Amino acid sequence: QLQLQESGPGLVKPSETLSLTCTVSGGSISNPNYYWGWIRQPPGKGLEWIGSIYYSGSTYYNPSLKSRLTLSVDTSKTQFSLKLTSVTAADTAVYYCARTRGLREIDYWGQGTLVTVSS
Amino acid sequence: QSVLTQPPSVSAAPGQKVTISCSGSSSNIGNNYVSWYQQLPGTAPKLLIYDNNKRPSGIPDRFSGSKSGTSATLGITGLQTGDEADYYCGTWDTSLSAGGVVFGGGTKLTVL
Repeated sequence: QLQLQESGPGLVKPSETLSLTCTVSGGSISNPNYYWGWIRQPPGKGLEWIGSIYYSGSTYYNPSLKSRLTLSVDTSKTQFSLKLTSVTAADTAVYYCARTRGLREIDYWGQGTLVTVSS
Repeated sequence: QSVLTQPPSVSAAPGQKVTISCSGSSSNIGNNYVSWYQQLPGTAPKLLIYDNNKRPSGIPDRFSGSKSGTSATLGITGLQTGDEADYYCGTWDTSLSAGGVVFGGGTKLTVL
């Protein structure tokens, strides 16, 4: 059974960089049928797609976050990562890592990790 | 302001049927597959429907999906109290402004 687990700091100061890693187990991150991505959900609000990355490193970014966002993948460690720079309180959210079948449905989700931006 | 439009809430009695709509445009629903997700309180979303109307293994046939033009609908029959959750539609958007996965704002289902 595929499992995804987010890890990273739960508290980030304003203007600093938010960094998260997702570790994939129970399946291959190099499977050519899937993309790996990030979705976030501010407290009490809806889902927002952040971006997706292929095992080769090709990426799709949410245009509203593109200038601050970098996704990367490490197939040897079966991990992919997110870096979001210059964070503000508006970036406070539960961050989910997930697997996407091609560029279609999200079929596996991590449990999510709350990241709070505050001084 | 979400790219896809869903009603904020719906409600129905146990055993009844409910539908949740999801409205979009030609750059998203009109030319791409729609998926639906169920998010129980305090948990991660779970895939309910993919490719407009297909159910993953383990999802009961009480859940169904359909698509027509630039709109999609999730149907739930035989409502149970355990179905109380937030439901989201999602699809790919090819416009320059969205350029990726887009979601509806979510619909809170209350089983009275």
